[in-house]
Amino acid sequence: GEEVAQTPKHLVRGEGQKAKLYCAPIKGHSYVFWYQQVLKNEFKFLISFQNENVFDETGMPKERFSAKCLPNSPCSLEIQATKLEDSAVYFCASSQVQGAGYTFGSGTRLTVV
Amino acid sequence: KQEVTQIPAALSVPEGENLVLNCSFTDSAIYNLQWFRQDPGKGLTSLLLIQSSQREQTSGRLNASLDKSSGRSTLYIAASQPGDSATYLCAVVYGGTSYGKLTFGQGTILTVHP
Repeated sequence: GEEVAQTPKHLVRGEGQKAKLYCAPIKGHSYVFWYQQVLKNEFKFLISFQNENVFDETGMPKERFSAKCLPNSPCSLEIQATKLEDSAVYFCASSQVQGAGYTFGSGTRLTVV
Repeated sequence: KQEVTQIPAALSVPEGENLVLNCSFTDSAIYNLQWFRQDPGKGLTSLLLIQSSQREQTSGRLNASLDKSSGRSTLYIAASQPGDSATYLCAVVYGGTSYGKLTFGQGTILTVHP
C-alpha cells in the first residue's frame, strides 16, 4: 500500500553539525506535517505545509530549524548546529484533507552526541 | 492553553480483559479527536476518528466515545489480546487550528500478557 517514506531511519550527528531529514508524502496528499517525539511519548508539532506553502510554523525553533516542501522533491527538515536536546524521533505525516486521514511515516531517529 | 491528557500512563492486563483508556482535553471547541496506536520503532496507525458532531465510533473490538461538554474521550478495547500491546495516543484537532495540527496526549502504554 501507499506509505509516507522517511529517510534516513537513523542519523547520528556531533553537536554543532547539520542534520537533514527527508519525507516523501503520499502522492496526491496536499498537507504535510512534521512532529518531534521526545522521551515519554511527547509529540511536539513543528510545522505544516499545504503543497509548497508553509501554513503553520509556530512549533519551529526558527533560529536553527528550517523546512521545505518543493514540487517534485521530497520535503525536508534541516537542523543547523544541532544540540543534544534535538535528539528525538522526527515524524512526518501527510493527508489529503484538512484535519483527517493522516498517514504517518516510520520516523527518523536523530541522535546528537 | 490547549492540552490533551491521557490516563493511565501505563496499563498491564491479562489477555481477555475489557479495558478503558481515558483522554481529556481542555477546550471543548474541537474539530475532531483521533486515537492512534504506536508500536515500538514504528509510526502511528490511525484507529478511530470522531468528528466533533459525533458521539462515538466503532471498529471491530474498539469503541471510542466523545463527550465535548466534559472534555473527555474514552477508548474501549474488548477482549484484549497480546497483539493489542502498544502505546495508544489520543490527539485533538482544535477548532481554529490551521490546517489540522494535532495536539497529542502523552499516551498510554498497554501491555496485554497471555
